Amino acid sequence: AQTVTQSQPEMSVQEAETVTLSCTYDTSENNYYLFWYKQPPSRQMILVIRQEAYKQQNATENRFSVNFQKAAKSFSLKISDSQLGDTAMYFCALENDYKLSFGAGTTVTVRA
Amino acid sequence: DTEVTQTPKHLVMGMTNKKSLKCEQHMGHRAMYWYKQKAKKPPELMFVYSYEKLSINESVPSRFSPECPNSSLLNLHLHALQPEDSALYLCASSQAFRQATLLLSSYEQYFGPGTRLTVT
Repeated sequence: AQTVTQSQPEMSVQEAETVTLSCTYDTSENNYYLFWYKQPPSRQMILVIRQEAYKQQNATENRFSVNFQKAAKSFSLKISDSQLGDTAMYFCALENDYKLSFGAGTTVTVRA
Repeated sequence: DTEVTQTPKHLVMGMTNKKSLKCEQHMGHRAMYWYKQKAKKPPELMFVYSYEKLSINESVPSRFSPECPNSSLLNLHLHALQPEDSALYLCASSQAFRQATLLLSSYEQYFGPGTRLTVT
């Protein structure tokens, strides 16, 4: 069984500052994918960033970057230069064989 | 085109009604998914279709009946639902890879905007 844990239910950050969301996971597979998805209050789930487990290099997508520690089974998301549009619920997810296992989510609020 | 569309956006139905949710994608994806999401909770997987065949059913009650008429279209037929079935129903699609008889990992999933279902 796969599990994903997000231990921060809510986080608040000032506009233009940096915030880091934590995620840990457990799987017995060696090949898998990790994702961060964003779901704004308008509710559409959007892919933020993707990491292949076999790649050691941390993924980066504009202001979003991850710190992937495979041995520790940790996959944190850093949002730099936070913008009001980043306000959303963020889900960490682990994919293997078509199944996405989601964490409980972290609600991020960006303050003006 | 990286869009997954879902209709209707909102649906209110009684417990004796029969209704259907529709999902469409034109990205050439061969895997499609139905999820159920309650407020402030992560999505829960219901069904997975790959190459138009049902490959995963997460022990969903029979009052939910999925259908995949072609590679672009996914339906969810609803009948005799209960009030606790009220939720946001999300559709998603992804690439799917097949090697010989193995169905390999599906890569990232693209989600539709969802249908907000209320059962009265």
